[in-house]
Amino acid sequence: DAGVIQSPRHEVTEMGQEVTLRCKPISGHDYLFWYRQTMMRGLELLIYFNNNVPIDDSGMPEDRFSAKMPNASFSTLKIQPSEPRDSAVYFCASRLAGGPSYNEQFFGPGTRLTVL
Amino acid sequence: QKEVEQDPGPLSVPEGAIVSLNCTYSNSAFQYFMWYRQYSRKGPELLMYTYSSGNKEDGRFTAQVDKSSKYISLFIRDSQPSDSATYLCAMVSGGYQKVTFGTGTKLQVIP
Repeated sequence: DAGVIQSPRHEVTEMGQEVTLRCKPISGHDYLFWYRQTMMRGLELLIYFNNNVPIDDSGMPEDRFSAKMPNASFSTLKIQPSEPRDSAVYFCASRLAGGPSYNEQFFGPGTRLTVL
Repeated sequence: QKEVEQDPGPLSVPEGAIVSLNCTYSNSAFQYFMWYRQYSRKGPELLMYTYSSGNKEDGRFTAQVDKSSKYISLFIRDSQPSDSATYLCAMVSGGYQKVTFGTGTKLQVIP
């Protein structure tokens, strides 16, 4: 299995522009998670889906952030308009329902976003 | 106060040293405790997990949980340069999907 795939790996954009991050979870996994990682705040959960349905988006910082999962093999995280404080590494992770209770999640390589 | 506190380091040790990484937490509902390892420019990967107080050993790694003190540790024996990474503690309540991560401790093992 190729693991969780994210694109792009790096994104540099200017303040005010729309940014779309993409994720392909591991085939067969039922849960998909979007995280943001910064030095100051560490790894923060933004939103997670179960069977393509958003379950908890309480970590989404503002209305500028939105996430979709149109099918089991694809999800997007969109920031519109982007701001410099959105600069971070964004990770997508997936896991299999019914797995061990410790909830092992499999992470993608991340998208490093820089907003100028 | 954050639910999980972890010293960010960085921690620099010579090869062969014993490394101790620690986290404290405040949420008594946490039942499962994990350590993830994150190499530079990579996503975190699960290293070890445990759900009870006491020690769990896996090769050179030992995970320790003290629920009464709300304190968890990861010990690395005979540390190797390949152990250089950021180590994140993580915790979850049983039946829940939301994992709470520490901010990570950056470890460098010098040859």
